[in-house]
Amino acid sequence: NAGVTQTPKFQVLKTGQSMTLQCAQDMNHEYMSWYRQDPGMGLRLIHYSVGAGITDQGEVPNGYNVSRSTTEDFPLRLLSAAPSQTSVYFCASSYYGAGAGELFFGEGSRLTVL
Amino acid sequence: TQLLEQSPQFLSIQEGENLTVYCNSSSVFSSLQWYRQEPGEGPVLLVTVVTGGEVKKLKRLTFQFGDARKDSSLHITAAQPGDTGLYLCHGGATNKLIFGTGTLLAVQP
Repeated sequence: NAGVTQTPKFQVLKTGQSMTLQCAQDMNHEYMSWYRQDPGMGLRLIHYSVGAGITDQGEVPNGYNVSRSTTEDFPLRLLSAAPSQTSVYFCASSYYGAGAGELFFGEGSRLTVL
Repeated sequence: TQLLEQSPQFLSIQEGENLTVYCNSSSVFSSLQWYRQEPGEGPVLLVTVVTGGEVKKLKRLTFQFGDARKDSSLHITAAQPGDTGLYLCHGGATNKLIFGTGTLLAVQP
C-alpha cells in the first residue's frame, strides 16, 4: 500500500528559486493538508483542502501556493524561496474532513534554502 | 485565531515514572486527537476524543477530554524508553485543524 507519497525527500534551493513539493495519496481521501515542522517544534498548518477544487489557508500560508485539481494530488509551490522556509514539510490526508478521521502522513520532505 | 498550547514543552524522566501532558485551546474543539512522532517520521495517531468529559485508555496511556471541550490531558503510567517521542494534540472547531505546540518526552532507562 502506497498511502501518502511525497517527493522529493531532500531538496536544496538558492534564495529566489521556485519549486514544487509533490504529494499524492491513493486512499480516496477528501481532506489533504500541508505542514511545516521546524526543529523541536510542532507542525504548523500551511494550506489544506477538503476536496478537489477547494483549498484554504492554514496558519502560515505566506510564500506558499497550492491547488487541488484531483482528489489524489495536492502539490505545494514555493514561488520565491527564502531562508526562512528551510524546514521539514509533511503532507497528510484523511477520509473525514472535520477532525474525526485519522491523518495519514507522508515521509516528509527536507528543504534547505541557502 | 485558535491556538493549541501544550505543557510542558519538554519533559525528561526516568523509566517507571508517571507523567501528564496538557493541551489547552483558546476555543472549543469539535474533536481532539493525540499523536506521537518519532524522529524522522510523520506523526502517528494515538487516540481521538469527541465528547466532553470523555476518558479513553490505551494500555498505560489515559486520555481525558475536558467537560467544556477546550482542554485535554494525556497521562502515562510507568513510562518506558519506548514512550520517548514528540506528543502532539490536534484539533479545531472547523475543517481548519491545527497541531499543538508539542511536548518532547525523553524517558531514560
